[in-house]
Amino acid sequence: AQKVTQAQTEISVVEKEDVTLDCVYETRDTTYYLFWYKQPPSGELVFLIRRNSFDEQNEISGRYSWNFQKSTSSLNFTITASQVVDSAVYFCALSEWSFGNEKLTFGTGTRLTIIP
Amino acid sequence: DSGVTQTPKHLITATGQRVTLRCSPRSGDLSVYWYQQSLDQGLQFLIQYYNGEERAKGNILERFSAQQFPDLHSELNLSSLELGDSALYFCASSASGARDEQYFGPGTRLTVT
Repeated sequence: AQKVTQAQTEISVVEKEDVTLDCVYETRDTTYYLFWYKQPPSGELVFLIRRNSFDEQNEISGRYSWNFQKSTSSLNFTITASQVVDSAVYFCALSEWSFGNEKLTFGTGTRLTIIP
Repeated sequence: DSGVTQTPKHLITATGQRVTLRCSPRSGDLSVYWYQQSLDQGLQFLIQYYNGEERAKGNILERFSAQQFPDLHSELNLSSLELGDSALYFCASSASGARDEQYFGPGTRLTVT
């Protein structure tokens, strides 16, 4: 069975510090997709990024960056110069083939608190 | 705003009752997914529909059922409700399958008393 591990349950940093959220996955698929979602206090889930298993290039979007390392089965997420608005629960997810169908398996999430 | 709408936003009901949650996907999306988020179980995939047909099933109880209508909106029916069914229920939509990014609705918070 496939699995997504977000070992960091909660992280607190002071505003303007950089912070990295870890995501480690297990899969037997050779082709797979990884996702990051953000759940702010308001509750909705917001899509951040999708990466496929063939593209190991790191990605940067403003203050957000993602480091994909297939060798360690990880897609880590870094927020540079954190802001209070970054406070949220962040979920990593893996697309999974199961019985001819595909579904998304989420990690347990990392609660990030940015202290003003 | 993701473009996915869910109604109602909150629902309070008693044990043993039946409720229906409704979801309208983003314009153009063919797939609809239902998820349950609770404190003890985390975010759990329940079921996916694609263009009216069931595509994938997750940890969905037999007391729960769903369908997707010709206009692509979807309903999740929860029956014989138990206290443990209290949770946030999300609907998401994507262009086609689970490899696409999914856009989530605001959720329906169900409280069973």
